[in-house]
Amino acid sequence: AQSVTQLGSHVSVSEGALVLLRCNYSSSVPPYLFWYVQYPNQGLQLLLKYTTGATLVKGINGFEAEFKKSETSFHLTKPSAHMSDAAEYFCAVSGSYGQNFVFGPGTRLSVLP
Amino acid sequence: NAGVTQTPKFQVLKTGQSMTLQCAQDMNHEYMSWYRQDPGMGLRLIHYSVGAGITDQGEVPNGYNVSRSTTEDFPLRLLSAAPSQTSVYFCASRVAGYTGELFFGEGSRLTVL
Repeated sequence: AQSVTQLGSHVSVSEGALVLLRCNYSSSVPPYLFWYVQYPNQGLQLLLKYTTGATLVKGINGFEAEFKKSETSFHLTKPSAHMSDAAEYFCAVSGSYGQNFVFGPGTRLSVLP
Repeated sequence: NAGVTQTPKFQVLKTGQSMTLQCAQDMNHEYMSWYRQDPGMGLRLIHYSVGAGITDQGEVPNGYNVSRSTTEDFPLRLLSAAPSQTSVYFCASRVAGYTGELFFGEGSRLTVL
């Protein structure tokens, strides 16, 4: 069985500040991990993914995430927030055996001027 | 490049009415799925299909039917709508047999009165 938790349903940061969105997962098989972003009234767009190989993965719009197996975490970071980063962010886990995706509850990011 | 197309984008139903949400993809993806999105609950899997003629239940299948007669189309049917089915519905697809990312449609917002 797989599950995802995201700490903080709403995170606010100032423009230019560090963005840190937390994701912890549970998986009985080697996990594949994903971060998606959803802008208002739109579908979900892939930010980045971890499947195998390098544990630090870089995505679009300056975001990156690090897979830490010992901590079962896949936190999303961005060094400097922009107003355009305001959106909802979802962490998801799948498995190397083709399991269905399981999504976390989401974190809404607000960027303050 | 259409990707995943969902129709309609908005729909209002009365309790007990039936309707079909349409989903089509032009990427030749074997895997297709339907999710519902509710505040604070992330995305929950309703039904999925790994190829034409093959469907299976997800986490919240009650009240919904699906069929997959072609690779491209995966309609979701509500036979007797209930207020609890008020939600935003997303169709998503990916290549089967390889855990790549899900590609999402823009969503269908359904209100059941």
